[in-house]
Amino acid sequence: DAGVIQSPRHEVTEMGQEVTLRCKPISGHNSLFWYRQTMMRGLELLIYFNNNVPIDDSGMPEDRFSAKMPNASFSTLKIQPSEPRDSAVYFCASSLTTGNTIYFGEGSWLTVV
Amino acid sequence: GDSVTQMEGPVTLSEEAFLTINCTYTATGYPSLFWYVQYPGEGLQLLLKATKADDKGSNKGFEATYRKETTSFHLEKGSVQVSDSAVYFCALSLNTGNQFYFGTGTSLTVIP
Repeated sequence: DAGVIQSPRHEVTEMGQEVTLRCKPISGHNSLFWYRQTMMRGLELLIYFNNNVPIDDSGMPEDRFSAKMPNASFSTLKIQPSEPRDSAVYFCASSLTTGNTIYFGEGSWLTVV
Repeated sequence: GDSVTQMEGPVTLSEEAFLTINCTYTATGYPSLFWYVQYPGEGLQLLLKATKADDKGSNKGFEATYRKETTSFHLEKGSVQVSDSAVYFCALSLNTGNQFYFGTGTSLTVIP
């Protein structure tokens, strides 16, 4: 079975550019999570969706960050404009509400220079 | 609020040593408890889980028992290998709302 699929795996971009990270959750899962991981702050929940609806976006750092889930099989996390402090690994994860196990993608490694 | 606290790292052990990584939790309801492992350059993978008090989760020689009386879910392995070198995360999920709470992670290095 395919797991959570994220793209791109690695991205290097210049400060001020727009970055779009993509995620395809596991088929049939109805919850989707975006996390950010850095050495300084560890693993942080940015936002999560249930049935394509954003439930909690309190972890989104500022207005430069936005996330969408237009359908059950696709989500994006956008940073515009990007800044060097956004450099991190961004993980997408999905779960079945009733299953309570969360499955992670391989991550998108973002470097903003 | 709901949270997970796990022991600070990094932890360095010799091969075949006994491993314990402590994890305690605070929850308003009856959570499910998890251990995730993250190998270098990879995402987090489920290692084991337990969904109710006194349950024992086990996988790949790792074990953890859900202790309601001490609100703990300590990870143990009797004999670690170099390949166990990774970061280990304790987590809880409430059975309502599907929110997950992760600990800060404990880095383990096993030396030959």
